Amino acid sequence: EPEVTQTPSHQVTQMGQEVILRCVPISNHLYFYWYRQILGQKVEFLVSFYNNEISEKSEIFDDQFSVERPDGSNFTLKIRSTKLEDSAMYFCASSANGAGATGELFFGEGSRLTVL
Amino acid sequence: GENVEQHPSTLSVQEGDSAVIKCTYSDSASNYFPWYKQELGKRPQLIIDIRSNVGEKKDQRIAVTLNKTAKHFSLHITETQPEDSAVYFCAASSRGNNRLAFGKGNQVVVIP
Repeated sequence: EPEVTQTPSHQVTQMGQEVILRCVPISNHLYFYWYRQILGQKVEFLVSFYNNEISEKSEIFDDQFSVERPDGSNFTLKIRSTKLEDSAMYFCASSANGAGATGELFFGEGSRLTVL
Repeated sequence: GENVEQHPSTLSVQEGDSAVIKCTYSDSASNYFPWYKQELGKRPQLIIDIRSNVGEKKDQRIAVTLNKTAKHFSLHITETQPEDSAVYFCAASSRGNNRLAFGKGNQVVVIP
């Protein structure tokens, strides 16, 4: 069964450093997402991506964040200058249809980011 | 934006009993309500979903009910088994947007 894969599974970084989290969505999916979950808190929407551009982003997704689909398979989340409060589990997801059109989201296993 | 709340945060049930988890949502335009299950160390996976044009949906031991007037929806698990132990997330979205708003998650523990 096709799966969304994420790397790295865990990254530890110093505050102020740049981090890139990588995701390989399911190959025939058209919509891609990043969510994050701070320990003990809600799963929070960050951004959705469709047709090579951001379709929606939340207030969390500020100028420090960017997403890219550099080739036909990878979908990356970059945090330019990490802050302590960026420590969280970051989930990538993909869907064949948009979430609002009841497209089931398929999640990766997450990348745990720890900012020291 | 949409705000989804789940309760209780933790639920312990004896094996074979039923478990019910409730979620409330704030945006009356929301029309799609999925439930995701996340086992320890694994990815969240969709287990059941419901659209706003139906009040109930069932899939074997799992059912979801929706009350649009009260803006809440519930997950019902009957004849619980140890493998039902997991964190369950509810979510909501509305047509025309591409974000799911998730609740905080419920830890369900099935005691053998």
